[in-house]
Amino acid sequence: GAVVSQHPSWVICKSGTSVKIECRSLDFQATTMFWYRQFPKQSLMLMATSNEGSKATYEQGVEKDKFLINHASLTLSTLTVTSAHPEDSSFYICSASGGQGNTEAFFGQGTRLTVV
Amino acid sequence: GDSVTQMEGPVTLSEEAFLTINCTYTATGYPSLFWYVQYPGEGLQLLLKATKADDKGSNKGFEATYRKETTSFHLEKGSVQVSDSAVYFCALSDKGYSTLTFGKGTMLLVSP
Repeated sequence: GAVVSQHPSWVICKSGTSVKIECRSLDFQATTMFWYRQFPKQSLMLMATSNEGSKATYEQGVEKDKFLINHASLTLSTLTVTSAHPEDSSFYICSASGGQGNTEAFFGQGTRLTVV
Repeated sequence: GDSVTQMEGPVTLSEEAFLTINCTYTATGYPSLFWYVQYPGEGLQLLLKATKADDKGSNKGFEATYRKETTSFHLEKGSVQVSDSAVYFCALSDKGYSTLTFGKGTMLLVSP
């Protein structure tokens, strides 16, 4: 299958700082990318969907000013957690799809964010 | 809204044992159903899928049948291996394959 690379795998940051997480599709063009958040022993919760060149569509309850998503190219999307706080500590996972919804999405390996 | 419920883990088995991980779903339409697997330190990988009632998805010895009457998609394998140790996620989509609703995941631990 296609490869999606997520970076970094883990990050520790101080409260009040911002953190950027990258999601790259290595061998296909990702027209759509998805960002998920996973709490311990919980399911993956979709945060937002982004199409290349368009503004991201956020799920209800997700603060768009706090979780900035940029999908500027067909191979890269970024999630920036702004002014991070300890409650933002979580596992963030991206996925990428090359079609208009009816094609398989490929997942990155996830990023463990710890805010201290 | 859509939801997926799967059994709590961890499921602990000895090698060559039979595996069942239960998954039930709630959806307004006729969703596609998926099982994803996450090996330690890796991303989620699609294990198998079924797109309509009575379809059976299968891969690597795992199989699951789309049961509309019981709204279930239980994962089974006849003889597990140590290398099957991972977290398994049941998921559905009623908007194509890439917009997914996940269950909480079930960790499987297989001992030699």
